[in-house]
Amino acid sequence: DAGVTQSPTHLIKTRGQQVTLRCSPKSGHDTVSWYQQALGQGPQFIFQYYEEEERQRGNFPDRFSGHQFPNYSSELNVNALLLGDSALYLCASSFDRDAFFGQGTRLTVV
Amino acid sequence: AQKVTQAQTEISVVEKEDVTLDCVYETRDTTYYLFWYKQPPSGELVFLIRRNSFDEQNEISGRYSWNFQKSTSSFNFTITASQVVDSAVYFCAPRSQGNLIFGKGTKLSVKP
Repeated sequence: DAGVTQSPTHLIKTRGQQVTLRCSPKSGHDTVSWYQQALGQGPQFIFQYYEEEERQRGNFPDRFSGHQFPNYSSELNVNALLLGDSALYLCASSFDRDAFFGQGTRLTVV
Repeated sequence: AQKVTQAQTEISVVEKEDVTLDCVYETRDTTYYLFWYKQPPSGELVFLIRRNSFDEQNEISGRYSWNFQKSTSSFNFTITASQVVDSAVYFCAPRSQGNLIFGKGTKLSVKP
């Protein structure tokens, strides 16, 4: 049983560009959440998707948007990248109480 | 405000020592879940344990044990007979309205 998978693992983008990160949840999980983890900090909640709709959102600007597909996989899009968007982006999938995380995508904005 | 305080930024122990990681949280929810995750250098957050707020019985799972006290909002985590492979950053995270609230974590280094 594959766990949560994210792609790509590493990414370098230029300030002002747009980026799309992808997440495939653990088998049987219908809820996907995205977190941003800056260096030396704990993960910060971006948003959560359930039944293809954004169910909850953290304190992130509209430049951060997402999507969930009928197969429960999800994308995180970030527009107009800033240097401060450089971070590890983690996807978590869940079906009830427990959330399981992928290995993350390391985004570097230069 | 909902937040997590892990006062220990870094802990260093020698292999086979017991180590306790402290966690104090704030939440406005009356019922909630509490989690501990481990993050090795590879970056993936690994689920360790879950505790619900309405059962204060403390438990042991292998080398892991935890002490939950709702009255003081503390959820401490103990590793018995630590091993080098336990070296990682450990996060305590209450779950509020579906999303996890993380603190800054405690970096544990276990030396041989």
